[in-house]
Amino acid sequence: DAGITQSPRHKVTETGTPVTLRCHQTENHRYMYWYRQDPGHGLRLIHYSYGVKDTDKGEVSDGYSVSRSKTEDFLLTLESATSSQTSVYFCAISESGTGGYGYTFGSGTRLTVV
Amino acid sequence: GESVGLHLPTLSVQEGDNSIINCAYSNSASDYFIWYKQESGKGPQFIIDIRSNMDKRQGQRVTVLLNKTVKHLSLQIAATQPGDSAVYFCAEKERNYGGSQGNLIFGKGTKLSVKP
Repeated sequence: DAGITQSPRHKVTETGTPVTLRCHQTENHRYMYWYRQDPGHGLRLIHYSYGVKDTDKGEVSDGYSVSRSKTEDFLLTLESATSSQTSVYFCAISESGTGGYGYTFGSGTRLTVV
Repeated sequence: GESVGLHLPTLSVQEGDNSIINCAYSNSASDYFIWYKQESGKGPQFIIDIRSNMDKRQGQRVTVLLNKTVKHLSLQIAATQPGDSAVYFCAEKERNYGGSQGNLIFGKGTKLSVKP
């Protein structure tokens, strides 16, 4: 997707290990989001950021932390991965202001915790 | 990816027919609505949006209708094509307060299957 890149695209990790997912944008958008997507649940917000070093929790934040030290990067960390965190993770960006509020999504990271 | 389509309501249409996908939203304070399309293995893509001061908006082959009285949103796709096969999500945003941007709340989605 133009202007937003997620890495890695796929990852398999063991229970109890730390995992960091990266979202990188080239659009200079103020807002960045991390969602997880699971069958039967749709997209659920984990954490979001409204500026450098400004973050807040979403609906399903337990077991996750985030950091945003630069406008372009938003990191999602699973401190100790569990099988319940097996999911597809999407990053999204949004510009502020009076324009539309639609989000632009990345291509997703498929994480499997075994 | 492929697992997104599991457990979702499915709409099956013939190629060339019109499709109507419905969404009930929850918050009467929501003032902005968006439809997204998600193809297998990809992230959601913006299709069309509508503000609460409108009841209809048209794009290319797509129309969104908003009925605030019953909190209902629909997406109409004209002359549905095989490339329209995907999961479609509605999203709502609460009215801003104090200059902060409200986050989007996503519906669970409907899977559209187009038969050739």
